[in-house]
Amino acid sequence: NAGVTQTPKFQVLKTGQSMTLQCAQDMNHNSMYWYRQDPGMGLRLIYYSASEGTTDKGEVPNGYNVSRLNKREFSLRLESAAPSQTSVYFCASSPRTSGSYEQYFGPGTRLTVT
Amino acid sequence: DQQVKQNSPSLSVQEGRISILNCDYTNSMFDYFLWYKKYPAEGPTFLISISSIKDKNEDGRFTVFLNKSAKHLSLHIVPSQPGDSAVYFCAASAMEGTGKLIFGQGTTLQVKP
Repeated sequence: NAGVTQTPKFQVLKTGQSMTLQCAQDMNHNSMYWYRQDPGMGLRLIYYSASEGTTDKGEVPNGYNVSRLNKREFSLRLESAAPSQTSVYFCASSPRTSGSYEQYFGPGTRLTVT
Repeated sequence: DQQVKQNSPSLSVQEGRISILNCDYTNSMFDYFLWYKKYPAEGPTFLISISSIKDKNEDGRFTVFLNKSAKHLSLHIVPSQPGDSAVYFCAASAMEGTGKLIFGQGTTLQVKP
């Protein structure tokens, strides 16, 4: 089991460029999440998908869109990158069944917008 | 409005001693709490959790204590080892909701040999 995988690991964008961050999980989990981590601020939820076919906004959704392509894959898109979106992005998944609410994280994508 | 707070940005302890990491929350709807450990350039790794029906949960060297009246939880690591040096995040969730986690800012633990 690879767990949660993310691509790419690193990316540098110019202001205004677009890109899609990919995430896949092989644990048959129902729920998937996208977070960003900035220094001194912990992890903040951008978007989540409680189950296949549904997506919803988290704490900091502005400037992002998501697609739950199937049960395994959940992508995050930046349509027009801004320097404020320089961050480390983490994807996570969770079974969200009774007694199992933990989220499991991927290794992260480090994004720099110049 | 920070619903989950870790007021100590850093903590340094000697190998073999106890490490105590603290976390406070404000939202009474939270009923499930988790601790994650994060090494540089890696994703957070789940460590231990506790639901609000308990006040203590233990897993090997790691114990989490929950004080609901004070809206406070703590993680005890005994004995501390140099490999425990990492950033520790506490997180809170409402189980009947969407499973969203609200994270604290993190505490950097350094365990000195």
